[in-house]
Amino acid sequence: GAVVSQHPSWVICKSGTSVKIECRSLDFQATTMFWYRQFPKQSLMLMATSNEGSKATYEQGVEKDKFLINHASLTLSTLTVTSAHPEDSSFYICSARPGLANTDTQYFGPGTRLTVL
Amino acid sequence: DAKTTQPPSMDCAEGRAANLPCNHSTISGNEYVYWYRQIHSQGPQYIIHGLKNNETNEMASLIITEDRKSSTLILPHATLRDTAVYYCIVRLQYNTDKLIFGTGTRLQVFP
Repeated sequence: GAVVSQHPSWVICKSGTSVKIECRSLDFQATTMFWYRQFPKQSLMLMATSNEGSKATYEQGVEKDKFLINHASLTLSTLTVTSAHPEDSSFYICSARPGLANTDTQYFGPGTRLTVL
Repeated sequence: DAKTTQPPSMDCAEGRAANLPCNHSTISGNEYVYWYRQIHSQGPQYIIHGLKNNETNEMASLIITEDRKSSTLILPHATLRDTAVYYCIVRLQYNTDKLIFGTGTRLQVFP
C-alpha cells in the first residue's frame, strides 16, 4: 500500500515551453501533497505544499507564477513549470500524506527528470 | 524543526550490520525522528520513525538515546541494494508535515 506515482518519469523540452508533471496517490487519498526539487548531488528542497481544494503554499524563494500547482482531487496534484529555462532542469519529486488521523508518514513518488534545452 | 547532523559517507560490508548515526541535540520533547533513504535517481523511501522508544520493523531498527539527542539507524544485514543516501529528519508529527532534508549519509555497501 501507500504507492505514489509520477508522470512522466522524464521529459525533455525546449526553452520557453511549459511542462506539466502529475503526481497520483494510487491506493489512498491524500489531502496534502508536497513538491520537491533536487539538483545533482544535492539534497531535496521543498518547493510547495499542496492541499486539496485550496491554493498551494510556496516556500520562500519559489516563484508561484512559474511553478503552478493544482490539487483538484484527493488523488492528483499537478506541477506545471511555465516558460521553462535550462536552469529549471532538475529532478522533481512529489510526496503524499494519507488523510488519516493516526498517521502522517509521507510517501514519495519516483520522481520526474526534467531537461530543458 | 530541530537540525540534524550526519556523517557524509559510510562503508559497510555486505551481510554486516550498518549503523548510521544521527545527532539531533536540539530536539524538543514532541519532535519525532524520521529516517528516509534515497536510492540513486529514485524518490525517497520511508524507513522508520520514533519518539522515545526504540523501534523495529522489517527494514531496520531505530535506537534513540535516553536524552534523545542522538539516534542510530541499524540495517541488521546490509545488502548491495541498501546502497543509498540515508536522511535523518526530526519534526513535529502533527505540525505542517514539512520534511526538511539535510545532506544525509551516503552508505556504500561493498561485496
